[in-house]
Amino acid sequence: DQQVKQNSPSLSVQEGRISILNCDYTNSMFDYFLWYKKYPAEGPTFLISISSIKDKNEDGRFTVFLNKSAKHLSLHIVPSQPGDSAVYFCAASWGSGTYKYIFGTGTRLKVLA
Amino acid sequence: NAGVTQTPKFQVLKTGQSMTLQCAQDMNHNSMYWYRQDPGMGLRLIYYSASEGTTDKGEVPNGYNVSRLNKREFSLRLESAAPSQTSVYFCASIGQAILSTDTQYFGPGTRLTVL
Repeated sequence: DQQVKQNSPSLSVQEGRISILNCDYTNSMFDYFLWYKKYPAEGPTFLISISSIKDKNEDGRFTVFLNKSAKHLSLHIVPSQPGDSAVYFCAASWGSGTYKYIFGTGTRLKVLA
Repeated sequence: NAGVTQTPKFQVLKTGQSMTLQCAQDMNHNSMYWYRQDPGMGLRLIYYSASEGTTDKGEVPNGYNVSRLNKREFSLRLESAAPSQTSVYFCASIGQAILSTDTQYFGPGTRLTVL
């Protein structure tokens, strides 16, 4: 049973427009959510995160929204740039002590120039 | 400061062969992780090590063994490789792993093909 789901395997957006990547989760114990970005032949790199006590977190062009009642989070990229073309993974974690992330399956974003 | 390094970058094995994937980090992190990435499956945790001297199974540990050699190094061993282990393997580390707000740092990956 996949606890973190990214139902859109791919997304294409025109340069300058908004990219919206979605992620759903099933485990209500998750208290922290992260987005990672991955370029081909590289490891994932941390992009932005949000605690379950918040509903929004912004960092420059990137904003993550959390809707706990719907168990849904989204990543908004505005404006989208060709360099944003990558695979985006959402991940969730919970609790304290040694913990593990649960990753979604990823969404491949292509920003068209 | 190289972060997390992995060797080799690529490897081709025949079914039944063994090999060890190496991972090292120079950030003085306590916890280290091994993941595999398969198409449509995201990143799945194989094993992790909370601290030097400890290891624990993740979601998909079958067919693998690990060794936390010291604080810097965490290796993943395939004793008898199978085609189902064809994947991209990522090592990651994290500082304290005490709070769920910590983030992981990933290595560049090892692309393994088992024929």
